[in-house]
Amino acid sequence: DAGVTQSPTHLIKTRGQQVTLRCSPKSGHDTVSWYQQALGQGPQFIFQYYEEEERQRGNFPDRFSGHQFPNYSSELNVNALLLGDSALYLCASFPSTGLMGNTIYFGEGSWLTVV
Amino acid sequence: DAKTTQPTSMDCAEGRAANLPCNHSTISGNEYVYWYRQIHSQGPQYIIHGLKNNETNEMASLIITEDRKSSTLILPHATLRDTAVYYCIVRVEVGGNTPLVFGKGTRLSVIA
Repeated sequence: DAGVTQSPTHLIKTRGQQVTLRCSPKSGHDTVSWYQQALGQGPQFIFQYYEEEERQRGNFPDRFSGHQFPNYSSELNVNALLLGDSALYLCASFPSTGLMGNTIYFGEGSWLTVV
Repeated sequence: DAKTTQPTSMDCAEGRAANLPCNHSTISGNEYVYWYRQIHSQGPQYIIHGLKNNETNEMASLIITEDRKSSTLILPHATLRDTAVYYCIVRVEVGGNTPLVFGKGTRLSVIA
């Protein structure tokens, strides 16, 4: 049973560029969330996708956007990158029905460095 | 903001039990207590969760006080691989899609 998988694991971008991060949820999970974790801090909620729509959003600017595909996989896009966007980006998933419980499972993350 | 308070750091000798406390005095009746840990540079790992009864699994035990205002995560025989940041989080489970709100957690160092 594959867990949450993310790609790429590491990447370096230049200020002003755009980046796309990808996530495949754990088998049987249809809801995907994204978190940002700056160095030395706990993860911060960015947004959550269910049925291909953004359902909840944390306190992040519109430069952060996402998408969910019919197979439940998801992408996180960040435009006009700033140095402060350098962080570990975590994808998490859980099933919406509650039949498997609503425990949230995380991927290993994508390390983004903006230079 | 996180609804939990945890000590910033703790040490534990290898082979001994590690007891990590958490205060959640404003917890609501339908909120569960979740514990995650994060080993350096990895994604958070689910450990255990509970509502009001004590819980045990292959990784740890969770002791929740009767008034539910605090809890303790117990790693019965800590090993060096248990060195990590441990996060205590309260969240609605069944029927809820609320995100996890992380605090700063407790940095546990297991010492040989």
